[in-house]
Amino acid sequence: AQTVTQSQPEMSVQEAETVTLSCTYDTSESNYYLFWYKQPPSRQMILVIRQEAYKQQNATENRFSVNFQKAAKSFSLKISDSQLGDTAMYFCAFMKRRGGATNKLIFGTGTLLAVQP
Amino acid sequence: DSGVTQTPKHLITATGQRVTLRCSPRSGDLSVYWYQQSLDQGLQFLIQYYNGEERAKGNILERFSAQQFPDLHSELNLSSLELGDSALYFCASSVSGGDETQYFGPGTRLLVL
Repeated sequence: AQTVTQSQPEMSVQEAETVTLSCTYDTSESNYYLFWYKQPPSRQMILVIRQEAYKQQNATENRFSVNFQKAAKSFSLKISDSQLGDTAMYFCAFMKRRGGATNKLIFGTGTLLAVQP
Repeated sequence: DSGVTQTPKHLITATGQRVTLRCSPRSGDLSVYWYQQSLDQGLQFLIQYYNGEERAKGNILERFSAQQFPDLHSELNLSSLELGDSALYFCASSVSGGDETQYFGPGTRLLVL
């Protein structure tokens, strides 16, 4: 079974600074997807970024980028130029690559990020 | 706004009761997923439907059931409610239920007293 581990329950960063959130996962699969979702105080789950395991290039979305280390089974999220609106719980998630019509996300326990003014 | 809608936003009920949570997927999405977020269990996959058919089951209790209707909206039915069922219930949708990204609705917060 796959597991996702986020070892940092809480983190804090100053506005405009850079912060990195860690995620490790355990799987015997070779093809899969990894995601970071953000859950602000509104509790909405918002997709931040997606990484395909078969792609060597790290995904980026504006101020958000990942460091995907497949051999180490590590998938960290870097937030540059942190903004107050980045304050949220961040969840790392894993999904097998199936190519069919059944799939599910497996989530880590989350990291609560507080951006300080 | 993800395009996934869920009603109601909040629900307060008593133990032993039954409730129905509703979800409308994004336009064009055929697959609907239900997830439960609770303090002790975290975010857990419950069940998936694709074009009206059940496709996958996760940690869903026998007291819980779901269905997806011809117009593709889905309902999650929770019966014989217990205090431990208090949680945030999310619906997500994707185009075909395979390898695409899942987009989440705003959730329904259920409180069982």
